[in-house]
Amino acid sequence: GQQLNQSPQSMFIQEGEDVSMNCTSSSIFNTWLWYKQDPGEGPVLLIALYKAGELTSNGRLTAQFGITRKDSFLNISASIPSDVGIYFCAGLFKGTYKYIFGTGTRLKVLA
Amino acid sequence: KAGVTQTPRYLIKTRGQQVTLSCSPISGHRSVSWYQQTPGQGLQFLFEYFSETQRNKGNFPGRFSGRQFSNSRSEMNVSTLELGDSALYLCASSQGLSTYNEQFFGPGTRLTVL
Repeated sequence: GQQLNQSPQSMFIQEGEDVSMNCTSSSIFNTWLWYKQDPGEGPVLLIALYKAGELTSNGRLTAQFGITRKDSFLNISASIPSDVGIYFCAGLFKGTYKYIFGTGTRLKVLA
Repeated sequence: KAGVTQTPRYLIKTRGQQVTLSCSPISGHRSVSWYQQTPGQGLQFLFEYFSETQRNKGNFPGRFSGRQFSNSRSEMNVSTLELGDSALYLCASSQGLSTYNEQFFGPGTRLTVL
């Protein structure tokens, strides 16, 4: 199936560090969503982006909708142990209702 | 407002059997999407229903089918189960309109095929 390129695939970081991850596509999207998934649970929506260049924050999380509409970025500031999990991006093509998901970034925080 | 609910949470079946999974969307949401999640393939889109009609379909065989009822609740059916169907099946709901396409997931149904 179709998927977005998400990087990095996984990362170990120290508690208190900032984290950055991104998703890229060869296609243009009109909506980007970012999710966090804990083991055995469904993904939880973190941030939704609707306009190119849009920068949106949710607590320590900040996400941006790329100017080209082909990419999006998620930053986590001052990471804490509960940030551990898998982060997914999802893009939506204009005029469709079918989300395409990234391959996920597995985040591990070392206390 | 209650979130997306899925039943059952866990299911064990044997090859050749069939299974039905249920999803109740957030109140007011008319779109329900189904995904299969496996460690190797990630989140794969199965299909999306809006107002009782299948609006989008992924690349899965015909053994995977679904339907949506007038109250927006949805069911997914897998017939003639194969070992490779073992996965976490996730349901997600949204308003289904052209704007505000925030999609919310349920906790999933963990299907194990023996």
